[in-house]
Amino acid sequence: KNEVEQSPQNLTAQEGEFITINCSYSVGISALHWLQQHPGGGIVSLFMLSSGKKKHGRLIATINIQEKHSSLHITASHPRDSAVYICAALGGGADGLTFGKGTHLIIQP
Amino acid sequence: DVKVTQSSRYLVKRTGEKVFLECVQDMDHENMFWYRQDPGLGLRLIYFSYDVKMKEKGDIPEGYSVSREKKERFSLILESASTNQTSMYLCASSTGGGDYGYTFGSGTRLTVV
Repeated sequence: KNEVEQSPQNLTAQEGEFITINCSYSVGISALHWLQQHPGGGIVSLFMLSSGKKKHGRLIATINIQEKHSSLHITASHPRDSAVYICAALGGGADGLTFGKGTHLIIQP
Repeated sequence: DVKVTQSSRYLVKRTGEKVFLECVQDMDHENMFWYRQDPGLGLRLIYFSYDVKMKEKGDIPEGYSVSREKKERFSLILESASTNQTSMYLCASSTGGGDYGYTFGSGTRLTVV
């Protein structure tokens, strides 16, 4: 079974700072998801990666398959980026995602 | 806009009650999933289904059952609710065939008293 580790667990930063959240996993995967969960619970899928790098606005996600590691970066962070960010690894079967425990990000004005 | 809809946002039930959590998706997805989310434990898979009338146990199926009579609907059933089933429940769906894209519902926060 895949083990997915995220770091840091909690991160508080000032508005405008560059944010990096890391995710590592223990066995090979088909894809890795980065998810965002705002207070109130609903989860939004930000990225799905199987290789390389993806960018959407101020968010950038990278994955290194050989090192079994992915990062989520936020440039020019803003208080509205405050949320829990979760990485989730998808193995080869149909049995769903294995989730990291999440990174609780607070961006202060 | 594609959607996974969970029937209740907040639910309070008594110990011993039978509880139904409903999830409906409008994307014609083959795979549907039920997760629970608890502080410090993250999201854990309860059950999943890859076809109508098919179901598979996830990591923590004890105390739960599921039903998938139609492709678009996946129900989670707590046969006799207990206080340790107080949690946030999230439904998700995905396509088969290697697309890997997941869509999540907004969650149901269940409190069992």
